[in-house]
Amino acid sequence: ILNVEQSPQSLHVQEGDSTNFTCSFPSSNFYALHWYRWETAKSPEALFVMTLNGDEKKKGRISATLNTKEGYSYLYIKGSQPEDSATYLCAPEYGNKLVFGAGTILRVKS
Amino acid sequence: DARVTQTPRHKVTEMGQEVTMRCQPILGHNTVFWYRQTMMQGLELLAYFRNRAPLDDSGMPKDRFSAEMPDATLATLKIQPSEPRDSAVYFCAGTSSYNEQFFGPGTRLTVL
Repeated sequence: ILNVEQSPQSLHVQEGDSTNFTCSFPSSNFYALHWYRWETAKSPEALFVMTLNGDEKKKGRISATLNTKEGYSYLYIKGSQPEDSATYLCAPEYGNKLVFGAGTILRVKS
Repeated sequence: DARVTQTPRHKVTEMGQEVTMRCQPILGHNTVFWYRQTMMQGLELLAYFRNRAPLDDSGMPKDRFSAEMPDATLATLKIQPSEPRDSAVYFCAGTSSYNEQFFGPGTRLTVL
């Protein structure tokens, strides 16, 4: 069983704060790292897919980095807004299959 | 705006009944996944297909679950007989390559 860990489990921040989450995963046989954003009562939406060690991707105020050698990825949100409130899932890909972490729940207070 | 559709969105049934969930992936997405979301396990992969052929169903209880893709526009997940422990949200997702997966809205199943 592959162990994908995300921390923290939940986070409450004020509007305007910057924040970051961690995803750690087994690095052997790893192909790609996916980040998803999951709002309550909706379905997960893809944020990033990264494959290369040292990869960094950015979408607006959200960015992510990847370290495939040590098996971790960071997701950063700059200047959090209430609409960023969601569960953020990471999912490393092994042999075409995604293994999802339990997620980090972010709540941004205005 | 192409989307993955799932039907029904909600299903309440009694233990022992057959349940069929349907998924229409985005046209051109030839790899289709079935996931189950539970409180305990989070999102777990049940099965997936590529070009309609089942590639892996090791995550699925085979004695009662079956997954098929009768054509490129329809994937089905069937539970027979259903049990209360099958209560969960079932998502399907599709992708056209080794890339991001597009998820459907899910079917919330409650087995009484």
